[in-house]
Amino acid sequence: NAGVTQTPKFRVLKTGQSMTLLCAQDMNHEYMYWYRQDPGMGLRLIHYSVGEGTTAKGEVPDGYNVSRLKKQNFLLGLESAAPSQTSVYFCASSYTYLGPVVRINEQFFGPGTRLTVL
Amino acid sequence: DAKTTQPTSMDCAEGRAANLPCNHSTISGNEYVYWYRQIHSQGPQYIIHGLKNNETNEMASLIITEDRKSSTLILPHATLRDTAVYYCIVQDYGGSQGNLIFGKGTKLSVKP
Repeated sequence: NAGVTQTPKFRVLKTGQSMTLLCAQDMNHEYMYWYRQDPGMGLRLIHYSVGEGTTAKGEVPDGYNVSRLKKQNFLLGLESAAPSQTSVYFCASSYTYLGPVVRINEQFFGPGTRLTVL
Repeated sequence: DAKTTQPTSMDCAEGRAANLPCNHSTISGNEYVYWYRQIHSQGPQYIIHGLKNNETNEMASLIITEDRKSSTLILPHATLRDTAVYYCIVQDYGGSQGNLIFGKGTKLSVKP
């Protein structure tokens, strides 16, 4: 049981280049999230997904796109990288208790991807 | 914006209890209090959560005041490996997003 994994661990891009970050989870979780963390700051939500085939914008979505074609994978894309996107990117997943009240449980985080845009 | 207020940093002696306070005076009735920690740039790790009753698990205890406007995370016997940034987060369990709103947290330094 690997939990949440992220690929790659490190990446250096030049301004204008594109790339895709891959997040995979083997816990059969419905919810998946992409956060970014800048130095000395807390995490900020970029995009999230509440199930296969669905995505939604978070707090800081500009410059990013996402896709959730399979339940276990959540992809984060940068179409034209900018230096302001230099950050550490964390993926997370969680499950919900479905019943009279939807209960969203604790999130499990991946190890992060350190991205530098020159 | 984060709905919580935490001290920027705290020190604790190894082996002693670490008590980390959190103020969440605007918490609403359907919001839980969650605690996560982040050890040296690793991904955040879930610690504990609660609604109104005190909670305990193998990692920590969570004490929530009766009016729910503040809480304290207690690490009963802190070790050097507990040095981390601790985040207190309130989350609406009835919401459809589930995203966590992180503040800057409390940097706990456990010293020998």
